[in-house]
Amino acid sequence: GNSVTQMEGPVTLSEEAFLTINCTYTATGYPSLFWYVQYPGEGLQLLLKATKADDKGSNKGFEATYRKETTSFHLEKGSVQVSDSAVYFCALSDYSNYQLIWGAGTKLIIKP
Amino acid sequence: DADVTQTPRNRITKTGKRIMLECSQTKGHDRMYWYRQDPGLGLRLIYYSFDVKDINKGEISDGYSVSRQAQAKFSLSLESAIPNQTALYFCATSDPDKYGEQYFGPGTRLTVT
Repeated sequence: GNSVTQMEGPVTLSEEAFLTINCTYTATGYPSLFWYVQYPGEGLQLLLKATKADDKGSNKGFEATYRKETTSFHLEKGSVQVSDSAVYFCALSDYSNYQLIWGAGTKLIIKP
Repeated sequence: DADVTQTPRNRITKTGKRIMLECSQTKGHDRMYWYRQDPGLGLRLIYYSFDVKDINKGEISDGYSVSRQAQAKFSLSLESAIPNQTALYFCATSDPDKYGEQYFGPGTRLTVT
């Protein structure tokens, strides 16, 4: 079945460091891929998405490229800020039942 | 005002009690979802509704029931709460053509003692 695997957290970085959060997936067909972010005490919100192979999603300085050959959708940011501290979720669309399949989430802690 | 609201935001209850969590949305979306979040487990889908007359079980529906009172309202009930239902509960909505783009409420933190 379809699944999403994210790197375990927490990931702790200093401000202005380069960020990578790994996400790999298993899926039949050609799913769309998503990154959601959950700030402390809030609900999740869509950060970026990609709908086909080689697409790059981007938002708020974050980027992720849909790599079909490696079944990956890693989240990157060149210079993180304290305000980026949050939990990040990778997800894919399951066309068999029109649902999202979620990764376990990766907590990111940015220290000033 | 928030597009997706949930009430209550926090609730402590005792084992065996009936609890209802409510969700309202002003997005005008037909699709609504209830998720449960536990540390390290991501989000798990409890129930989802494609419209007022179409309600479906998700991955972990046992012990839960739902009611879709209107397009804008979707309630989750725990008929007889148990401690392992202690979790953070989220309501979400989406457009039918963009079901991957979901809009979440702020969550309800439920503790069952």
